[in-house]
Amino acid sequence: QVQLQESGPGLVKPSQTLSLTCTVSGGSISSGSYYWSWIRQPAGKGLEWIGRIYTSGSTNYNPSLKSRVTISVDTSKNQFSLKLSSVTAADTAVYYCARGGYSSGWTNFDYWGQGTLVTVSS
Amino acid sequence: SSELTQDPAVSVALGQTVRITCQGDSLRSYYASWYQQKPGQAPVLVIYGKNNRPSGIPDRFSGSSSGNTASLTITGAQAEDEADYYCNSRDSSGNPHVVFGGGTKLTVL
Repeated sequence: QVQLQESGPGLVKPSQTLSLTCTVSGGSISSGSYYWSWIRQPAGKGLEWIGRIYTSGSTNYNPSLKSRVTISVDTSKNQFSLKLSSVTAADTAVYYCARGGYSSGWTNFDYWGQGTLVTVSS
Repeated sequence: SSELTQDPAVSVALGQTVRITCQGDSLRSYYASWYQQKPGQAPVLVIYGKNNRPSGIPDRFSGSSSGNTASLTITGAQAEDEADYYCNSRDSSGNPHVVFGGGTKLTVL
């Protein structure tokens, strides 16, 4: 059973960089045809896809966040990470990491971390 | 990038059938996946592809698609089905992004 766990600071100051790590257990991050994503959810609002990385290192980012986002992977540690720069209060949200599956006609997120609340405040 | 539109709220009487819809241009090319989210919990995948249920998802959940609209149907809704439901799909053809709908709050009366 694959499990994902987010870790990182719960409080980040405005204009600084938010950094989170997702540790994958129960399977190798490199096995199978999957990608690894970050998704966030402000309180009381919907889900927003931030971006994804394949274990090849290839990335795709939400166009609305692309200028501030970097997602990286460390296969030796079975981890992938998120960096979001120049944060503001609008970036306050629960951040989820998730495993993405795909085929020619669909994409899905079949395993999710429990989520971690990141608050942007001075 | 494309958008996916969902009704903000839907209600259903206990034991009845309810359909939750998701509209968007990308759904003309790709299937939607559907997630159930209960308060304070991470989303759970309930339907993906043409009409596939992950292991452990009750068979009262089913999916369908027509034109630019995808639907999640719950046949015989139970009290425990009260939750927020989100759809997602690949973005428009040729665009390598992922999009989510705004979510539908399902109330079981």
